[in-house]
Amino acid sequence: AQRVTQPEKLLSVFKGAPVELKCNYSYSGSPELFWYVQYSRQRLQLLLRHISRESIKGFTADLNKGETSFHLKKPFAQEEDSAMYYCALSLRGYQKVTFGTGTKLQVIP
Amino acid sequence: DTGVSQNPRHKITKRGQNVTFRCDPISEHNRLYWYRQTLGQGPEFLTYFQNEAQLEKSRLLSDRFSAERPKGSFSTLEIQRTEQGDSAMYLCASSLDTGADTGELFFGEGSRLTVL
Repeated sequence: AQRVTQPEKLLSVFKGAPVELKCNYSYSGSPELFWYVQYSRQRLQLLLRHISRESIKGFTADLNKGETSFHLKKPFAQEEDSAMYYCALSLRGYQKVTFGTGTKLQVIP
Repeated sequence: DTGVSQNPRHKITKRGQNVTFRCDPISEHNRLYWYRQTLGQGPEFLTYFQNEAQLEKSRLLSDRFSAERPKGSFSTLEIQRTEQGDSAMYLCASSLDTGADTGELFFGEGSRLTVL
């Protein structure tokens, strides 16, 4: 069964510091990986997906199949990045999306 | 289009009662998902529809839970004989079939259920 692990429930960083939110997955097929974000009092929304290979709001994520990881990174944290971040996985061509337990990012001014 | 709409937003009920939640997806989206989220957890997959066909149900979805999408548009999630463990946020999401790739999920604001 597919599984997504986010080991940190809370990550606190100072404004301007680098951010890395960890995500590991278990599946041996061709996964599609996503990061979803939920800002305070807002809906859960897509931040980025690995197939797009793009940077959104300064965030990037690289799929490492050898380590089965999809860590989310940003070189300089901003206060508006404070939110809940969920890593998610789907199997290519198969529409069920499995979410991790989430990491709360707290950026300290 | 204001996005995915869910109602009611909050529901408080007594144990043993039935409740029904409604989800109106983005109009052109052919996929619709139901998730459940409890405190400190990520969204847990319950079921999803491709148009009106229910293609997968999680083992989390006991016999007391039933979901429908009769005309391939809005969907309902009914919980019969509610239990305190059913207390959670029920999230609906919709997406557009883009072929082989999994489409972006657009979430509603959720329906919070409290079972007393």
